[in-house]
Amino acid sequence: QSVLTQPPSASGTPGQRVTISCSGNTSNIGNNYVYWYQQLPGTAPKLLMYKIDRRPSGVPDRFSGSKSGTSASLAISGLRSEDEADYYCAVWDDRLTTWVFGGGTKLTVL
Amino acid sequence: QLQLQESGPGLVKPSETLSLTCTVSGGSISSSISSNTNYWDWIRQTPGKGLEWIGSTDSGGRTDYKPSLKSRATISVDTSKSQFSLKLKSLTAADTAVYYCAHGWSDGMDVWGQGTAVIVSS
Repeated sequence: QSVLTQPPSASGTPGQRVTISCSGNTSNIGNNYVYWYQQLPGTAPKLLMYKIDRRPSGVPDRFSGSKSGTSASLAISGLRSEDEADYYCAVWDDRLTTWVFGGGTKLTVL
Repeated sequence: QLQLQESGPGLVKPSETLSLTCTVSGGSISSSISSNTNYWDWIRQTPGKGLEWIGSTDSGGRTDYKPSLKSRATISVDTSKSQFSLKLKSLTAADTAVYYCAHGWSDGMDVWGQGTAVIVSS
């Protein structure tokens, strides 16, 4: 069972906006930056969002991140078929002294 | 453009030691981005436990490990070869996973290798 809780699945139709949540506690999300990774089928994870709401070069502005208290969210607007992937949140945990990942959310574009 | 490539055996017997190497190309394993420290990470992925950070090293050889793996894992760096390595001893079936190496810094783990599948079985 992951330290960070994500919904196992999410879905939407093309053009829709979907949100993926990531719930933690005061020793991880509540006190540190959150990162998001996208993993397309059969490939390695790719950094999608860093320091909560910053996008690496090349990531479309359809992707946005936010944090409130001990929870974080990744929003995808204008959903496209190529967004179908697994999404993971990650954060440093001060109490466990390790990076922790969420269990992942499988996004399906209907 | 920085690229990472894992190498190592795909099959290892229980109780043995896994040795993986990550070769860094397209950039220096010793360089830093602005004033931030570069970290060279090992992460594994299993269907059951998802993504799990194993540990990291910097170019100076300072290491950090996930506490539950610290007794079994050793990460080292060889700047002359632009490589860093992972040794994981006393393997069990639970160590069967895809192992990734990655470059990390304050802005996240921004470059990953393609991953190498390791099966622990007799």
